[in-house]
Amino acid sequence: DVKVTQSSRYLVKRTGEKVFLECVQDMDHENMFWYRQDPGLGLRLIYFSYDVKMKEKGDIPEGYSVSREKKERFSLILESASTNQTSMYLCASSSMTSSYNEQFFGPGTRLTVL
Amino acid sequence: GDSVTQMEGPVTLSEEAFLTINCTYTATGYPSLFWYVQYPGEGLQLLLKATKADDKGSNKGFEATYRKETTSFHLEKGSVQVSDSAVYFCALRGPDSSYKLIFGSGTRLLVRP
Repeated sequence: DVKVTQSSRYLVKRTGEKVFLECVQDMDHENMFWYRQDPGLGLRLIYFSYDVKMKEKGDIPEGYSVSREKKERFSLILESASTNQTSMYLCASSSMTSSYNEQFFGPGTRLTVL
Repeated sequence: GDSVTQMEGPVTLSEEAFLTINCTYTATGYPSLFWYVQYPGEGLQLLLKATKADDKGSNKGFEATYRKETTSFHLEKGSVQVSDSAVYFCALRGPDSSYKLIFGSGTRLLVRP
């Protein structure tokens, strides 16, 4: 069974802290994604990676960075957390060889920044 | 730019009722269209898809038809169950994009016994 796992389901951090969200997939997928999900706004793409050490900005990259040192792992970094980054964060992966690039999602991390 | 508009929720139905969740899109060319479902406490999972005009995607009793003339991809089910309670997202992938999905805002469905 295909799987995308995220390091935490719930996380509470303080303003100014550095925050790491980890995502691991076991499907040997080339593409990995980080989204944030907010009520009424749907999912918005933060960053995308199509290969190890490669990344592209999504629609809302400000305040975030990413790291992909291994194919199976994609990390989202909040250098200095702020209250407006309180949200649900979803990781996803997909295969470049799939005919319609279905994205497989992790369960999400609900981050609260106090 | 490309966009997806969904009807606002929540949608509340009784078990065995007919379901329609409206989705319209704006895109250049011929996008691929998707419905994803998010059950409580879980990530999104693909429910169904359609990759060209007049295609009908179907899965688990849900159906949606790709209507180019009305730029719509409405989700329907003839008889909903309590277990269908979830948030449903309509999404598109542009013809020039190999990876990027544009999501609608999501519609919460609550089915009562």
